[in-house]
Amino acid sequence: DIVMTQTPDSLAVSLGERATINCKSSQSVLYNSTNQSYLAWYQQKPGQPPKLLIYWASTRESGVPDRFSGSGSGTDFTLTINSLQAEDVAVYYCQQYYYTPYTFGQGARLEIK
Amino acid sequence: QVQLQESGPGLVKPSQTLSLTCSVSGDSISSGGYYWSWIRQPAGKGLEWIGRVYPSGSTNYNPSLKSRVTMSVDKSKNQFSLSLSSVTAADTAVYYCALRFGLAWGQGTLVTVSS
Repeated sequence: DIVMTQTPDSLAVSLGERATINCKSSQSVLYNSTNQSYLAWYQQKPGQPPKLLIYWASTRESGVPDRFSGSGSGTDFTLTINSLQAEDVAVYYCQQYYYTPYTFGQGARLEIK
Repeated sequence: QVQLQESGPGLVKPSQTLSLTCSVSGDSISSGGYYWSWIRQPAGKGLEWIGRVYPSGSTNYNPSLKSRVTMSVDKSKNQFSLSLSSVTAADTAVYYCALRFGLAWGQGTLVTVSS
């Protein structure tokens, strides 16, 4: 199985500042023919299902604020949240969907400093 | 916009079979050739992909659960289902159904394994 490792496990960021979460996969999830990385980012708030933020590593899902952005390729990925808002407090997960079984990172808890 | 809703017993006895159904609305379960996934999350823990099923009935399961999992599709009802046999307390979790890898999710249903 591909192991997804997120860093840090938790972070506290001031309102209006930038939050950065990293995700590393144990194998490349880049499909060379299309140059697309099969990597998604989710936001999960208590009592709710995960919400898709980013797929193909950098494509923002419709309706997701543009302060959320994804970058990276191959094995190393980053989720960046600019101008942190109070409603961004959540746990964030990365997921690879290149190989089955699809696997998730352990999650990164984002709080307000 | 596709919507998904899980249904099934919230309490299952150890050694029995957990059975859940996901009802799809807003689109045909057969359209686009998309696959449908089951994912679970124990309380306070991370997400585990259980497997996927195509409208054709083709499946892929997580090897960690493969011997106990069965997934199927009922096109006439626009539903797909999950069966997990020989459950233990370790199978207690919120179970989600999802479109493809996670483009859309159901609200989730808590299944507790307990006598």
